[in-house]
Amino acid sequence: RKEVEQDPGPFNVPEGATVAFNCTYSNSASQSFFWYRQDCRKEPKLLMSVYSSGNEDGRFTAQLNRASQYISLLIRDSKLSDSATYLCVVTQVGGYNKLIFGAGTRLAVHP
Amino acid sequence: NAGVTQTPKFQVLKTGQSMTLQCAQDMNHEYMSWYRQDPGMGLRLIHYSVGAGITDQGEVPNGYNVSRSTTEDFPLRLLSAAPSQTSVYFCASRKTWGAASYEQYFGPGTRLTVT
Repeated sequence: RKEVEQDPGPFNVPEGATVAFNCTYSNSASQSFFWYRQDCRKEPKLLMSVYSSGNEDGRFTAQLNRASQYISLLIRDSKLSDSATYLCVVTQVGGYNKLIFGAGTRLAVHP
Repeated sequence: NAGVTQTPKFQVLKTGQSMTLQCAQDMNHEYMSWYRQDPGMGLRLIHYSVGAGITDQGEVPNGYNVSRSTTEDFPLRLLSAAPSQTSVYFCASRKTWGAASYEQYFGPGTRLTVT
């Protein structure tokens, strides 16, 4: 079983739609969680951290469910510029907290 | 402040050839790492370093060597290229402590094809 699993998509949504992605992780001891964004043929970049209480950054909301071992990303009022692959990232327990990346969920927003 | 730089951007090798992928960062980050990204597999850690003179293996180290003689540079060497090493390679850096330690900065990537 992969340590971090994501639905690869693609999620095809119209502009203005609300879309949500989930990500599950296997190690219940993982402590830190993040969403990274990767544009086509570019490097990944940090989108937002995911806090236990949930957090919001503009149109983006991230939530953590430790009991069920998943994190989610909600995007409201989707823009064309949101089209990208969203990578779920979990820290590996112990030893410099290596980052474990999911394979990503692709989002395509159309006019 | 250039961030993380990688060279070359593209490379084609024949099976059995060796080469070095260069990576440099100017943010004084202690932690540097190399990943490969293949379709459907996500980013897989090859090697990492927590400071000059200290390196360790990641998830998929076979066929690759690294060294860290300075804080800024972290080259990745392919010893004898194989078609299975065709991939996109990303170098990354971050701090090892503090709240900002999980923001990892990536270079633009090297697209390697081995024929």
